[in-house]
Amino acid sequence: GAVVSQHPSRVICKSGTSVKIECRSLDFQATTMFWYRQFPKQSLMLMATSNEGSKATYEQGVEKDKFLINHASLTLSTLTVTSAHPEDSSFYICSARASYGPNTEAFFGQGTRLTVV
Amino acid sequence: KQEVTQIPAALSVPEGENLVLNCSFTDSAIYNLQWFRQDPGKGLTSLLLIQSSQREQTSGRLNASLDKSSGRSTLYIAASQPGDSATYLCAVPGSNDYKLSFGAGTTVTVRA
Repeated sequence: GAVVSQHPSRVICKSGTSVKIECRSLDFQATTMFWYRQFPKQSLMLMATSNEGSKATYEQGVEKDKFLINHASLTLSTLTVTSAHPEDSSFYICSARASYGPNTEAFFGQGTRLTVV
Repeated sequence: KQEVTQIPAALSVPEGENLVLNCSFTDSAIYNLQWFRQDPGKGLTSLLLIQSSQREQTSGRLNASLDKSSGRSTLYIAASQPGDSATYLCAVPGSNDYKLSFGAGTTVTVRA
């Protein structure tokens, strides 16, 4: 299957600082990327959908000013957690698809464990 | 709104036994269904994608069946091994927005 690389895999930051997470599709062009958050022993919660060259669409209850998403190219999307607080500590996972259509397989990154101290 | 349920939430079997994982969904108008594996602290690995027109999809020891009309899919893993221990998730795209709706997963432990 296609490869989606997410970096970093783990990050610890101080409260009030910002953290950027990168998601790259290595062997295909990702028209659409998705960002998820996963709490311990729970399933994935979709945070936002980003399409290359346009603004991200955020799910209800997700603060767009806190979780900045940029999808500047067909192979890279970034999630920046701004002014991080301990409650933002979580596991963040990105996903990429080659097209927006429903019949396109979704591929996932390795995830990023964010700890805010 | 599509709701996806996976039963059981956890399963423990001795090595060599066949695994049967269930996934049900409320809206049968799906395009496809995807099965994933997640190891602790890791992302998701796509196992199988079964299209709505298919009844079955196979890859090695894995076989996924799909019954759209009853809103069910089953993932069979033959001759389980300790390396199969992981959480298995199923997901379906929405009919309007194509976003994936996930089940809560089944955590499998294969005992050596």
